[in-house]
Amino acid sequence: RKEVEQDPGPFNVPEGATVAFNCTYSNSASQSFFWYRQDCRKEPKLLMSVYSSGNEDGRFTAQLNRASQYISLLIRDSKLSDSATYLCVVKPNQAGTALIFGKGTTLSVSS
Amino acid sequence: DAGVTQSPTHLIKTRGQQVTLRCSPKSGHDTVSWYQQALGQGPQFIFQYYEEEERQRGNFPDRFSGHQFPNYSSELNVNALLLGDSALYLCASSLGGGRNEQYFGPGTRLTVT
Repeated sequence: RKEVEQDPGPFNVPEGATVAFNCTYSNSASQSFFWYRQDCRKEPKLLMSVYSSGNEDGRFTAQLNRASQYISLLIRDSKLSDSATYLCVVKPNQAGTALIFGKGTTLSVSS
Repeated sequence: DAGVTQSPTHLIKTRGQQVTLRCSPKSGHDTVSWYQQALGQGPQFIFQYYEEEERQRGNFPDRFSGHQFPNYSSELNVNALLLGDSALYLCASSLGGGRNEQYFGPGTRLTVT
């Protein structure tokens, strides 16, 4: 089983749609969780951290369910500029420094 | 404030050759991590350098080696290149051994023919 698994995608949605991405992780001791965004042929950039209480940043909402080892990202009112690959990322522990990335899910928002 | 920089941007090598990639961390950062991203995949952790030592290593063969200099910049060396080494190589810098947010550079795209 892969350490971090994501929906295969691609997701093709119209502007204004709500879209949700899911991710599961295998290491129950994992400490930190993130969503990164990667534009075509560019470097990944941190979109948001994910906390057990859930967190929201504008149109983006991230949720973590430690019991199910499940992470989600919800994007409301999709914009053309949201088109990118979204990477689910897990940091196994505080002392460990490696980021473990999922394969990524591609989102294409059309007008 | 300069971000993470990497050189070269693109590189074409032949199987069996050796390559050196370079990374300068974000100002104030002391830790450099290297990742390999094959086409259609997420980045995979290669290793991390902190205080001029390799602190953690991913599942990569010994053909992959690195170095960190006193000014915190870093090099990634790959020997005996294989076709499968073709990928985007990303450098990420952070502060304090990687406990804090990692900022990625634009990457070096390596093509092995």
